[in-house]
Amino acid sequence: DIVMTQTPLSLSVTPGQPASISCKSSQSLLHSDGKTYLYWYLQKPGQPPQLLIYEVSNRFSGVPDRFSGSGSGTDFTLKISRVEAEDVGVYYCMQGIQLPLTFGGGTKVEIK
Amino acid sequence: EVQLVESGGGLVKPGGSLRLSCAASGFTFNKAWMSWVRQAPGKGLEWVGRIRSKSDIGTTDYAAPVKGRFTISRDDSKNTLYLQMDSLKTEDTAVYYCTSHWGPGLYWGQGILVTVSS
Repeated sequence: DIVMTQTPLSLSVTPGQPASISCKSSQSLLHSDGKTYLYWYLQKPGQPPQLLIYEVSNRFSGVPDRFSGSGSGTDFTLKISRVEAEDVGVYYCMQGIQLPLTFGGGTKVEIK
Repeated sequence: EVQLVESGGGLVKPGGSLRLSCAASGFTFNKAWMSWVRQAPGKGLEWVGRIRSKSDIGTTDYAAPVKGRFTISRDDSKNTLYLQMDSLKTEDTAVYYCTSHWGPGLYWGQGILVTVSS
């Protein structure tokens, strides 16, 4: 199974400041079709996860442009340029290149 | 708008069975691959299993912890996904999410709680 490792476990951020979350996979997520199957989800308190970023760097419909994803191969990063109160929750990376689908352990973001 | 609504959760004793349902709307269900993902209380996300569309043979795949005990099926005439859970263990206690692979990522239902306890 592909192991997804996220750091840090938690972040406390002042509104308006940036935040960054790292995700590393135990195997490359680059498929032979040229796509890299790395996703970012946000689970707000009491809600199901919601898709933020797909294939490393593509923002899903309706996701604010303060969210950006980058990386390649096995190393990936989610950045929030200016954190807002509505961004609190747990962020998960997920790999979709191979079954079983696997998730990082999550990064909890809270507001200072 | 994609909607996924789970039902059928509840309290069951170890060794018992439960069947979850997921009513889908807002997309072409019979063409969608579907997965179940679970989340134990206070824990992270764990993929449970997936079913392909019938046009892709409709095969199923399962995570190791549930293989042989859980069965995913679908009724395309009812736009409904199922998760049959047998030989339940206390460690199966979790919120179970129905998800659709219809979009570029996963769409998620609100989730349904399954508690396995004596």
